Amino acid sequence: AQKITQTQPGMFVQEKEAVTLDCTYDTSDPSYGLFWYKQPSSGEMIFLIYQGSYDQQNATEGRYSLNFQKARKSANLVISASQLGDSAMYFCAMREPWGGNTPLVFGKGTRLSVIA
Amino acid sequence: DSGVTQTPKHLITATGQRVTLRCSPRSGDLSVYWYQQSLDQGLQFLIQYYNGEERAKGNILERFSAQQFPDLHSELNLSSLELGDSALYFCASSVEPSGRVGTDTQYFGPGTRLTVL
Repeated sequence: AQKITQTQPGMFVQEKEAVTLDCTYDTSDPSYGLFWYKQPSSGEMIFLIYQGSYDQQNATEGRYSLNFQKARKSANLVISASQLGDSAMYFCAMREPWGGNTPLVFGKGTRLSVIA
Repeated sequence: DSGVTQTPKHLITATGQRVTLRCSPRSGDLSVYWYQQSLDQGLQFLIQYYNGEERAKGNILERFSAQQFPDLHSELNLSSLELGDSALYFCASSVEPSGRVGTDTQYFGPGTRLTVL
């Protein structure tokens, strides 16, 4: 069963605008962690942000924020003030149970293109 | 730079051959994970080692094997290669959980792009 769903294969955003990349997840475990990674065309996987299932506040890291809606099982990534360098594939991933050395389960990704 | 190193960056070989991919985790990280990224399968977990011992197995073929050495570097061995094994192979590392939220992020190496001709 698909545990991470990213419904947007590709998205376009104007430079300096904000963009939201969607991610929904499926788990019955109350303890889990959610992650977003960026993969530029060069291929490396860059960690952006995480959210623990017990975190009370939404995670933020610079221009990245995570809109975590636990009841809806969604963990959308918000990128503010988009830059040309943000053009890349973005992957949502989950680990369960949170805190353990468990592998990541990835979604299929969203390709973001930032337009000047 | 994540601190995880992988060699080689690119590898081109023929069907039926055997290759070894190498990974050095971040300083202090005891866990190493291997992932395969292909166009049709996406990012898939292969295998995990913790402090030299196999901890978890994912969709790893029997033709593939891995190990983690006392200095914590890891090698992924791929044998009897097929065209479908062409992919980007990532190594990731993380610390042992300390109970503190946020210590278990997996940091990825730059990947080894394997092309089987």
